[in-house]
Amino acid sequence: ETGVTQSPTHLIKTRGQQVTLRCSSQSGHNTVSWYQQALGQGPQFIFQYYREEENGRGNFPPRFSGLQFPNYSSELNVNALELDDSALYLCASSFGGGGSPLHFGNGTRLTVT
Amino acid sequence: GIQVEQSPPDLILQEGANSTLRCNFSDSVNNLQWFHQNPWGQLINLFYIPSGTKQNGRLSATTVATERYSLLYISSSQTTDSGVYFCAVERRNGANNLFFGTGTRLTVIP
Repeated sequence: ETGVTQSPTHLIKTRGQQVTLRCSSQSGHNTVSWYQQALGQGPQFIFQYYREEENGRGNFPPRFSGLQFPNYSSELNVNALELDDSALYLCASSFGGGGSPLHFGNGTRLTVT
Repeated sequence: GIQVEQSPPDLILQEGANSTLRCNFSDSVNNLQWFHQNPWGQLINLFYIPSGTKQNGRLSATTVATERYSLLYISSSQTTDSGVYFCAVERRNGANNLFFGTGTRLTVIP
């Protein structure tokens, strides 16, 4: 069984740039959720994709957007990067859209300078 | 959103000691998970436990959904248990996302 994989592991960007993070879900899972974890805090929900549609969104501005592909992998795109976007971005996969356990990838650490 | 409170915020243990971590939440839930985040940032799923009791080796967890709390027990702690322990809940009849507590930072010293 393949677990959740994320790429890249680390990334450094400049304020104002755009970034794309990628996530491959665990085999058998059809739901992908993205979380942002700032230093010293718990992860915060960005959004979830189920069957290629957005299925819930947290309190993040529209410059955070996403996609889910037919193979259930997903992308997180962030436009017009700000310094406060520096964080660990975690992807989690699950089955069924809600009420089932989430399994997390190792994360992408984004630094915005 | 739902409030998730964890205690204690910090815990230092001698290797071999036992500990209990607590998670209180403010609403009915249909998903509760305990995670261990190691120093490298990996978030490892320990238990999926919206109710009842489960055990996995030296770890066990109990959730009393009617009283809105969950406990994580660590017995015979080891230095590799160090890290941050998070409780996360999904509100019943709410959006399909987990709300995380602020975590308990555990340090196990030899």
